[in-house]
Amino acid sequence: SQQGEEDPQALSIQEGENATMNCSYKTSINNLQWYRQNSGRGLVHLILIRSNEREKHSGRLRVTLDTSKKSSSLLITASRAADTASYFCATDASGIDKIIFGKGTRLHILP
Amino acid sequence: DVKVTQSSRYLVKRTGEKVFLECVQDMDHENMFWYRQDPGLGLRLIYFSYDVKMKEKGDIPEGYSVSREKKERFSLILESASTNQTSMYLCASSLCLEAGPYEQYFGPGTRLTVT
Repeated sequence: SQQGEEDPQALSIQEGENATMNCSYKTSINNLQWYRQNSGRGLVHLILIRSNEREKHSGRLRVTLDTSKKSSSLLITASRAADTASYFCATDASGIDKIIFGKGTRLHILP
Repeated sequence: DVKVTQSSRYLVKRTGEKVFLECVQDMDHENMFWYRQDPGLGLRLIYFSYDVKMKEKGDIPEGYSVSREKKERFSLILESASTNQTSMYLCASSLCLEAGPYEQYFGPGTRLTVT
């Protein structure tokens, strides 16, 4: 019952460049969340954007949401080695407090 | 800071054993979740609980059960471990308010190997 799907599956960029990841989903949502997972660890919540919001910022992160296209993007500016991780989007499932995770984008920052 | 702890980082069990994975959160969250994460399949919800003694099946509950006797503790039980339950198990918790869902806080994960 996958809802969100990230694109690309993997991304390698040079340190200092910007990284953009996309998420597409199928049904209407209340909100969309982005999480980061460093290798072999638990997930860390990055940002939540509600369906009535179009853009949200947090430090070097910028998230956009286009409900007409059922898509979201996560932009990381001025990437650092520590940004190397997998990034997941998560959207509502049936049931108010459940969310469904996509399979993630693996981001690798090259020195 | 919210803290979610899991009883073990690594666990090795034999086929047929009964396995208990424990999760504790310290922020008085109503909701708690158990996921498993496998390469190429992402995170899949096994069970979740929205209150003490309450539970709901997720997408892949077969072979698992859960227990929530206290608000801060949510246990995942593998009644008879099988090799196809070798996986990373992640516990999470969140608030339960209107206009949810809210951000989930994750534990560090338990990597379970069943031999």
